[in-house]
Formats: sequence, structure tokens, C-alpha cells
Amino acid sequence: KAGVTQTPRYLIKTRGQQVTLSCSPISGHRSVSWYQQTPGQGLQFLFEYFSETQRNKGNFPGRFSGRQFSNSRSEMNVSTLELGDSALYLCASSLGGNSYNEQFFGPGTRLTVL
Amino acid sequence: TQLLEQSPQFLSIQEGENLTVYCNSSSVFSSLQWYRQEPGEGPVLLVTVVTGGEVKKLKRLTFQFGDARKDSSLHITAAQTGDTGLYLCAGASPGNTGKLIFGQGTTLQVKP
Repeated sequence: KAGVTQTPRYLIKTRGQQVTLSCSPISGHRSVSWYQQTPGQGLQFLFEYFSETQRNKGNFPGRFSGRQFSNSRSEMNVSTLELGDSALYLCASSLGGNSYNEQFFGPGTRLTVL
Repeated sequence: TQLLEQSPQFLSIQEGENLTVYCNSSSVFSSLQWYRQEPGEGPVLLVTVVTGGEVKKLKRLTFQFGDARKDSSLHITAAQTGDTGLYLCAGASPGNTGKLIFGQGTTLQVKP
């Protein structure tokens, strides 16, 4: 089975711009979770989508949003970028049936905001 | 707020030595997962433990889940240079779907 794929792998933006990141989960996985990883804060949960519905949300401002399509692919959008949004953005997929489903991560998108 | 405290944060040892990494919390988790991450890549799942007191072995790596499902440990026997990397523990809460609480990570350097 192919693993989780994320595009693009690297992105450079300037403050105030917006960005869209894409994630394709493992075939058959219906849940996609997004995380932000920074050296200071580690990995922090952004949100989770299951069957095209946001099922869980972390403590991030409304500038961070996402969606999931009928084929389980997911996108994450960050509007009005700030310097502090520079991070590795990771998506993870799982079967999604319950809370202890194992999550499998993609390689991440490295976002740099100048 | 659920927290997972992971220790130590940094570990530098010689090849052949043993080491243990700890993850502790005051919260109960339905499962706990251990990952290893290389620079610039996503975390790779090593193991998932779900039952209190459970012990799982993966070659030279031994994972244990505490009886109360609040803590876990990773023990590496006879470390090799290929074990170098960032080790992360992550807990899943009952009913909290899709969300993992991560520890801060342990950066392990194994010197030849």
C-alpha cells in the first residue's frame, strides 16, 4: 500500500499571504488529522476530518482551516500568514473507527513565512 | 489540559549501551504510540500499546504501558548508530478521536 503523501514538500510565503496544503491518506483510511511541528512547541494537533466532517479541533486560531473530500483527501488552509506559522505541517491518516486507531504520518510540508 | 512529559530530552551514548526513555502523564490514555522521526521527515510508527501492563518487543526495543495506562517506557538494548533519531510518544484519549497528545520528544545520538 502506498503511504500518506503530502504536497508540496516545501513552501516559502510572505506575511499576509495564504497557503493551501494537500494530503492524500492511505487507501481505505477515512480519517485525516493535521499537526503543526515547531522546535519550541513540538507536535500540536490542529484538526481531524472523518467522512468529510471536522470531528475534532485543536486550539488554533480561525486562520487555520481544512476540509476533506469524498475520496478522503484533505486540504489545510492558512490565511493571513504570520512569521510564527513557519513550521513543519504533518498530516496523518487512520482507519478512524475509534480513538485508539494508529496514525500514519506523511513526510510533511515545510512552510517558511518571510 | 492533557500533557505527556517525556524524558530525557537529549541522550548521547556510545554504541552498545542501553537506554530508557520515559513518558508520564496524570491522564489515562486509551492507547499510546511510539514514533521515530528523522530530520525533515514525518514520524514513523514503531508500536502501539493499548492494554495496561502490556509489554511489546521489536528486536532490541522494548515498550511498556503502565498498569494505569498513564505512562510508558521505551528501552533500547545495545544501541546502534542506526538508532539515532528523535523518539516521540503520543497518547490517544478515550473518545477524543483523531487527536494524539505528543511528548516533547527525546533526541538520541548513538556514537560509534
